[in-house]
Amino acid sequence: NAGVTQTPKFRILKIGQSMTLQCTQDMNHNYMYWYRQDPGMGLKLIYYSVGAGITDKGEVPNGYNVSRSTTEDFPLRLELAAPSQTSVYFCASSPPTGAITEAFFGQGTRLTVV
Amino acid sequence: QQQVKQSPQSLIVQKGGISIINCAYENTAFDYFPWYQQFPGKGPALLIAIRPDVSEKKEGRFTISFNKSAKQFSLHIMDSQPGDSATYFCAASDSGNTGKLIFGQGTTLQVKP
Repeated sequence: NAGVTQTPKFRILKIGQSMTLQCTQDMNHNYMYWYRQDPGMGLKLIYYSVGAGITDKGEVPNGYNVSRSTTEDFPLRLELAAPSQTSVYFCASSPPTGAITEAFFGQGTRLTVV
Repeated sequence: QQQVKQSPQSLIVQKGGISIINCAYENTAFDYFPWYQQFPGKGPALLIAIRPDVSEKKEGRFTISFNKSAKQFSLHIMDSQPGDSATYFCAASDSGNTGKLIFGQGTTLQVKP
């Protein structure tokens, strides 16, 4: 089982450039999430989706966009990269909430904006 | 308030000792409290989780203690091993049918052999 797959693993962007972080899951999970992880700050939710065609903002959505055209894919778009977006980005998916709901995380994308 | 506050930021424990990490929350709507473990270069993975209808949950060497009135919960790692060296995150969520998690700041645990 591949689980949650993120590409690329590493990327260096120049200020003002754009890019798309790819995320795909093969567990048929309805729920998908994008988090960013900064040292000493934990993980912050950027955007989430509860199903194909449905997305919503999390805690820190500014500077990002998402789409969810299929159950499997949830790409994250950075339109005008800024140094403040230097971070490690994690995509996650989970089944519908229940007694114990496990979010499965990808291995992350380390992004540096210079 | 949506915050979850975690302490300590870092922890060093001798092999065989007990590691204790604490978290506090403010939002009384939270009703799901997982702990995630993260190794360097990897994504977080669910370690253990609890709902507030119980005060304690144990899985092997890992125990969550939950104090609803104080709005606090903690992770205890008994007989800590070098392989437990990782970053640990507490988190909280409500039953809003979205699965969104609010994470603590993380604790880097080092278990010395």
